Amino acid sequence: EAGVAQSPRYKIIEKRQSVAFWCNPISGHATLYWYQQILGQGPKLLIQFQNNGVVDDSQLPKDRFSAERLKGVDSTLKIQPAKLEDSAVYLCASSPLNGEKLFFGSGTQLSVL
Amino acid sequence: AQSVAQPEDQVNVAEGNPLTVKCTYSVSGNPYLFWYVQYPNRGLQFLLKYITGDNLVKGSYGFEAEFNKSQTSFHLKKPSALVSDSALYFCAVVNDYKLSFGAGTTVTVRA
Repeated sequence: EAGVAQSPRYKIIEKRQSVAFWCNPISGHATLYWYQQILGQGPKLLIQFQNNGVVDDSQLPKDRFSAERLKGVDSTLKIQPAKLEDSAVYLCASSPLNGEKLFFGSGTQLSVL
Repeated sequence: AQSVAQPEDQVNVAEGNPLTVKCTYSVSGNPYLFWYVQYPNRGLQFLLKYITGDNLVKGSYGFEAEFNKSQTSFHLKKPSALVSDSALYFCAVVNDYKLSFGAGTTVTVRA
């Protein structure tokens, strides 16, 4: 079974630039999550999709972050403009049911200089 | 308020000794509790979960966890640790339909 795919694996940008991350969940998984993991901290949920609808985006900084899952399959997370404090690993996860076991991708490590 | 707490940043044990990683939770009702492990440069991997039923849950790689409602704890255990168990461990709880993670505990098993 193919896992959760994420790209790119690493990204280095300067502050105020834009960046986008891509995620392809496990086939058939209805729920997709984006987490932000800052070094030394646990992952923090940014946004949760159920199919192509947003279930929770209460911790997404909407002035600079956006995410979409147009066809209910893959998803993109965008940051525009980036700040130094956005340096983190961005993890995508999917699950067949809301709240059940999550399957994580390897993440995208973002460095904002 | 944090839903789940991991009181130890680091745990160091010798190979072959028992390993315990502590976790306490603070959600109302019946909690859904999870343990995940993160190896260097890899995504989080599911170890085990408690939804209901037997308080002792068995998971992957010989790990188990004990749910204790009176102490609101869900400690992860392994009877005999291996060097390959060295990793970052996260406790998580479903709270308000969201999976919230603790800050993580770094486990180092020395040969």
